[in-house]
Amino acid sequence: DVKVTQSSRYLVKRTGEKVFLECVQDMDHENMFWYRQDPGLGLRLIYFSYDVKMKEKGDIPEGYSVSREKKERFSLILESASTNQTSMYLCASSQQGRGGYYTEAFFGQGTRLTVV
Amino acid sequence: DAKTTQPPSMDCAEGRAANLPCNHSTISGNEYVYWYRQIHSQGPQYIIHGLKNNETNEMASLIITEDRKSSTLILPHATLRDTAVYYCIVRAAGNKLTFGGGTRVLVKP
Repeated sequence: DVKVTQSSRYLVKRTGEKVFLECVQDMDHENMFWYRQDPGLGLRLIYFSYDVKMKEKGDIPEGYSVSREKKERFSLILESASTNQTSMYLCASSQQGRGGYYTEAFFGQGTRLTVV
Repeated sequence: DAKTTQPPSMDCAEGRAANLPCNHSTISGNEYVYWYRQIHSQGPQYIIHGLKNNETNEMASLIITEDRKSSTLILPHATLRDTAVYYCIVRAAGNKLTFGGGTRVLVKP
């Protein structure tokens, strides 16, 4: 079974702290994604990566950065956490399909981050 | 990627088929239709995808109209565990998977 593991299920951080959310996948997938999910707003893409050291901005990258030093690991970084970054964060991975059509994405269980 | 339109919510009876519609009238020839669902407090789960032919797997069936402007996800025998938000996504090459509002499905006993 494909496994996408997020380092924490629940996290509480203080405003201004630097926060790292870690995600590891065990299927050698090329693509990895970070989303946040908020009530009434659905899932929104923050960043994605299609290869080691490669990253692309999603729809809401402001206030976030990412790191992909190894293929299996994709980190989301909140440089200075703010209360409006309180949310559920979801990581996903997928294999690169032929012609650029990636295969299905597998999601982790999510990290519920609260910034106080 | 083409925009999709889904009803915000629907109810269905346990044991009956659930038919979830999705409109994607601006879909282009190289875009696939994907369906995911999200059960409460879990990450989204892939269900099925297709290009123009109907598809079936152990979870569901996907019916795509001939003009590809709409599709229907069919859960053949809905169970209480199928209660979830179902997302219809249309996607072309580019590696981005973008979720809309989805349909909140409540399966009732």
